[in-house]
Amino acid sequence: GAGVSQTPSNKVTEKGKYVELRCDPISGHTALYWYRQSLGQGPEFLIYFQGTGAADDSGLPNDRFFAVRPEGSVSTLKIQRTERGDSAVYLCASGREHTDTQYFGPGTRLTVL
Amino acid sequence: GQQLNQSPQSMFIQEGEDVSMNCTSSSIFNTWLWYKQDPGEGPVLLIALYKAGELTSNGRLTAQFGITRKDSFLNISASIPSDVGIYFCAQGGSEKLVFGKGTKLTVNP
Repeated sequence: GAGVSQTPSNKVTEKGKYVELRCDPISGHTALYWYRQSLGQGPEFLIYFQGTGAADDSGLPNDRFFAVRPEGSVSTLKIQRTERGDSAVYLCASGREHTDTQYFGPGTRLTVL
Repeated sequence: GQQLNQSPQSMFIQEGEDVSMNCTSSSIFNTWLWYKQDPGEGPVLLIALYKAGELTSNGRLTAQFGITRKDSFLNISASIPSDVGIYFCAQGGSEKLVFGKGTKLTVNP
């Protein structure tokens, strides 16, 4: 079956621009997670959805970042007024409710010039 | 906050050698996870550990959950070229995972 997919695979933008990153979870997975991975680091948690609601958004670095999952499936991570420090790989993962197994997508590599 | 210290940072080994890497935590958690990440891909779960002292194998991989619940190790036996990648330990339950910084493994044929 299909795994987690993320689009685009690469995104280059200019400082100050707005970007949207999309995640399609595995069908039937109610839990969805966003992580950010900087070069040479492990993934860092951003936000976790259970269904349509954000159950934990404690990892979002500031109010320029927000994410939605309006129908409990696809999620979009939105970054306003991008800064060079936002450059990283943004990973999405999904999982079944009450399981610790998270299945990761290939990520979106964001470069802010 | 919770921190995971993973070592070594990188390893260069010959094909056929055994490999060991470990992870220590400043906090006690109930789950230790080991992931592998290939270039351009997301991490893939290798082994999950749920009990102190638990020893679990997955093919040539063996991982143990330390008795103190603050450490874990991963062993790879008889390494092959496709073992190349970055190995991460992680802690967490059904919500957010906390990852170590990874061990980058290079296998020379």
